[in-house]
Order: sequence, then structure tokens, then C-alpha cells
Amino acid sequence: QQQVKQSPQSLIVQKGGISIINCAYENTAFDYFPWYQQFPGKGPALLIAIRPDVSEKKEGRFTISFNKSAKQFSLHIMDSQPGDSATYFCAANPNQAGTALIFGKGTTLSVSS
Amino acid sequence: EPEVTQTPSHQVTQMGQEVILRCVPISNHLYFYWYRQILGQKVEFLVSFYNNEISEKSEIFDDQFSVERPDGSNFTLKIRSTKLEDSAMYFCASRSRTTEAFFGQGTRLTVV
Repeated sequence: QQQVKQSPQSLIVQKGGISIINCAYENTAFDYFPWYQQFPGKGPALLIAIRPDVSEKKEGRFTISFNKSAKQFSLHIMDSQPGDSATYFCAANPNQAGTALIFGKGTTLSVSS
Repeated sequence: EPEVTQTPSHQVTQMGQEVILRCVPISNHLYFYWYRQILGQKVEFLVSFYNNEISEKSEIFDDQFSVERPDGSNFTLKIRSTKLEDSAMYFCASRSRTTEAFFGQGTRLTVV
């Protein structure tokens, strides 16, 4: 119940295309869903996050879509660029200060030019 | 921009030796975390720390592990007797009540 399932494991997208990464969760106590971006040799960095009171959040080329009833959320990267090539992790936790983030297994995105 | 700082960036140790990984969280943060990431795998939660005590820990965080906040700025992870399978990137993170978790650059631990 503490798991966050992420797919696909890897993704190759042409420059300018749309990258879509999906995550699903089971624990209904989760109510904070961030996406982290990680470049090789670096720590994860927060990219965008959503709470379940909205179904979509957009920041620049990055959009989170959230489906509370299906307990799924996804990251869309529009106009994907080679600089977006990284590993993306979805995560979740209950909105309680101090509670740990539970991460998905990650998706390695490669954007080809 | 404030950041979480971890030292060393890379630590090589003999199996059975003790290691201490160090972190300096962002100064006004209250919640501190250690995560680890085995090469090519997901980020796994180890432990969270608040108000000078462990608030949550995972199954991975067994008796070989301990955390300490020895002063007002440092947050350490100690592994008492390292095993080969402890080889991983270890990330420290911190947050305040209202901010997201910020991660350090990590310490690569190699146990030989």
C-alpha cells in the first residue's frame, strides 16, 4: 500500500515530441504528489508537484495530470528537448509535515535530436 | 540560493568498517531525511528526523544504521559495520513545514 508504481522504465522521444510518464498509487492517505528530475551524479530536484484538489497543474512545458478516482497521475513534457534527458521520479506522501516521500522506480528519458 | 550540502562526495571503505556520512541541511528547515539509491534503481527512504529524534524509519534502517544531529547544523548517518550491499548513493534531504523536500548532491559509498 506504500508503493508508487511508475511506468515506463525508459522512454525515447524525438526532440519536439511529448514525453508521458505515468504513476499509480494505492494509499488513499497520499495527498501530495511531486515529480523529481535527476541528472547523472546529482540529487533529485523538485520539478513540479500537485495536490489532489486540482486535476491538472502546468508549469511551462511540464504538466501534471491527476485522476483521484483512478489513483493515477502523470507527467507530460511538451516540446521535449535534449536537455530534458534525465531520470524522472514520481513520489507521494501524506500531507503531514515530516512524513517521508515514497518514490516510484524512475523513468529514464532520452530525447534525441 | 540555499542548498543541502553533503560530504564527502565519494567514500570508499572496507567491508566491516564504520562510515559516517555528513549533511548540512538548509538552515531554517526542521525535518531531515536520509535516502539511498542503489545504482540504476529507485530512491529508497531510510529515515526521517525531527525535533532531535527519529520520526519514521524504513525496514532498511536496521540496527547497523544510526542518525544524529550533533550540533545545530550537521545531520549525520552512521553505518556501523558496512556490507557490500550498502554500496549506493546516499542522499540527505531537508524541508520546513511548508516547503518541498530539497536534496543534496549525494555521497557515493563504495564498500570493497
